[in-house]
Amino acid sequence: DSGVTQTPKHLITATGQRVTLRCSPRSGDLSVYWYQQSLDQGLQFLIQYYNGEERAKGNILERFSAQQFPDLHSELNLSSLELGDSALYFCASSVQGMGTEAFFGQGTRLTVV
Amino acid sequence: DAKTTQPPSMDCAEGRAANLPCNHSTISGNEYVYWYRQIHSQGPQYIIHGLKNNETNEMASLIITEDRKSSTLILPHATLRDTAVYYCIARRGYYGGSQGNLIFGKGTKLSVKP
Repeated sequence: DSGVTQTPKHLITATGQRVTLRCSPRSGDLSVYWYQQSLDQGLQFLIQYYNGEERAKGNILERFSAQQFPDLHSELNLSSLELGDSALYFCASSVQGMGTEAFFGQGTRLTVV
Repeated sequence: DAKTTQPPSMDCAEGRAANLPCNHSTISGNEYVYWYRQIHSQGPQYIIHGLKNNETNEMASLIITEDRKSSTLILPHATLRDTAVYYCIARRGYYGGSQGNLIFGKGTKLSVKP
């Protein structure tokens, strides 16, 4: 158990809909990261938040957005969903400091039909 | 961050040591070598990391060459549960918690066979 909790574990929705994925980081971790893993693209970094502020952006679509709340949990919002958005979405968290590691949740499997 | 190169796949007999190589010939002095693994669609799991010296923890050992251009992850007694994709990542150390902003390549698919 990494200590990072993601909900829900599975989500099935229709094209054009909007969903929200939730992540609770490990206690004390200020950084939260979101990743997407699809069959053909591998693990892709989407976005990072640090103590409520956006810190880094990767290959995140404009239809996707995220935020980190004062209690440090984070939500990833996916809108106008397309079939190609079907993927595993992982959240990770890390402590502040040089040369430390990130801990990943078990992911949310999103299926768009 | 430096590019890393890993073999796409490897086999290992159960109970034997698994030695997974990684080439990072353009690594710079402030870049750490991290290893993560992903067991069949589960979240990636941190294994070990190092800067210059060899490192060992309860999961594995990391051997970094003196010139730091390559490294080897060693699982001393591989079990069937070690079957996974192993990722080697070169990453600068960051203050302010950016350690999880990782670029995953294709990794090495390790198959441990009975």
